[in-house]
Amino acid sequence: DAKTTQPTSMDCAEGRAANLPCNHSTISGNEYVYWYRQIHSQGPQYIIHGLKNNETNEMASLIITEDRKSSTLILPHATLRDTAVYYCIVRLTYNNNDMRFGAGTRLTVKP
Amino acid sequence: GAVVSQHPSWVICKSGTSVKIECRSLDFQATTMFWYRQFPKQSLMLMATSNEGSKATYEQGVEKDKFLINHASLTLSTLTVTSAHPEDSSFYICSAIRTTDNSPLHFGNGTRLTVT
Repeated sequence: DAKTTQPTSMDCAEGRAANLPCNHSTISGNEYVYWYRQIHSQGPQYIIHGLKNNETNEMASLIITEDRKSSTLILPHATLRDTAVYYCIVRLTYNNNDMRFGAGTRLTVKP
Repeated sequence: GAVVSQHPSWVICKSGTSVKIECRSLDFQATTMFWYRQFPKQSLMLMATSNEGSKATYEQGVEKDKFLINHASLTLSTLTVTSAHPEDSSFYICSAIRTTDNSPLHFGNGTRLTVT
């Protein structure tokens, strides 16, 4: 079973920030948080990952709470092309067998 | 960035035949590859994990004799759906990972299998 819970769906207005939450209350100290997204009929696309510090790249920002039990993916200026299913996964770096996906959040960006 | 190529992108086959799907890591050596299947409007379901040079580890409920996985090199893994039936019709996705560090998983673009 996936170790994360996410809202089933969210809407966001084009040009606004999209904030996608993820709960991972059973995360252990050496598990990373990864975010992927999947556009219809394509393979998942890697977005960002982090351990405990907040991270930012050209696609998004990742905010991890101090207790690491939850995180938020932020798309600063959502576009229509950001409409996708977003998956949050926790993973032990040395346990490559632990790559199970939860249900994800279906983000719809509206004009 | 790292690229994983999956082939074919779609295939239609007749019931009872076998279909092979290839997954290649193009610019890195993949110590581990994962195979998933995805039904419409559902999440990815992990089928098996394969490490180069060893037998794949299958998830509970996945028949290893039906879904044959070979990971003969650090850049290639194959999934063969044997004696395919219409219920095997699905979207199959592979992914590959570089090493046991925190490198992200990279996914192929999937193979849409339709069994008639």
